[in-house]
Amino acid sequence: DAKTTQPTSMDCAEGRAANLPCNHSTISGNEYVYWYRQIHSQGPQYIIHGLKNNETNEMASLIITEDRKSSTLILPHATLRDTAVYYCILPPSSNTGKLIFGQGTTLQVKP
Amino acid sequence: DAGVTQSPTHLIKTRGQQVTLRCSPISGHKSVSWYQQVLGQGPQFIFQYYEKEERGRGNFPDRFSARQFPNYSSELNVNALLLGDSALYLCASSPWQGTSGNTIYFGEGSWLTVV
Repeated sequence: DAKTTQPTSMDCAEGRAANLPCNHSTISGNEYVYWYRQIHSQGPQYIIHGLKNNETNEMASLIITEDRKSSTLILPHATLRDTAVYYCILPPSSNTGKLIFGQGTTLQVKP
Repeated sequence: DAGVTQSPTHLIKTRGQQVTLRCSPISGHKSVSWYQQVLGQGPQFIFQYYEKEERGRGNFPDRFSARQFPNYSSELNVNALLLGDSALYLCASSPWQGTSGNTIYFGEGSWLTVV
């Protein structure tokens, strides 16, 4: 299974951009990168996913390097409600809906 | 639009008992997956069902079973409960089976406490 590496924790000032990195050097050509976040005691919330091109939606932007070995999730204007654990996930197989969650990055947005 | 709904939200069971958890996927979604999240860890994959057939199974004992109904809702059953089964049980739904560009949404989960 392709592995991801994320920093254990990060801080961000409220109103600033939060940039969360993820390394996935063993990614294969057809594997998507998924990002979820989980606020304490709630179910994981889907944020965004991408294959090769950069993606943007109402929540965040996903920047994938040209060699696809790393990506960055960008929350453009972080708020206190963005404090959560952020997971970068590479599904092990495109044929199942299985997601493997690592430890993720705990993002603390501070006033 | 209703998201993924799970019931019950909280329940307490005694060791050795059996529990059934329920999930209704987003309308139009045919795939349902179940995850277990123990406190302090990330969710762990238990099952995936698609078109009423089991399509994937994680490393869980046979005490765990599930099924999917014709309306695509699903039940997770756990028999002979152990203290270690205490966890948040999450249901995820998606339009189809795979993950190639598929968007997978999670419910808020069912908190199970075994005493």
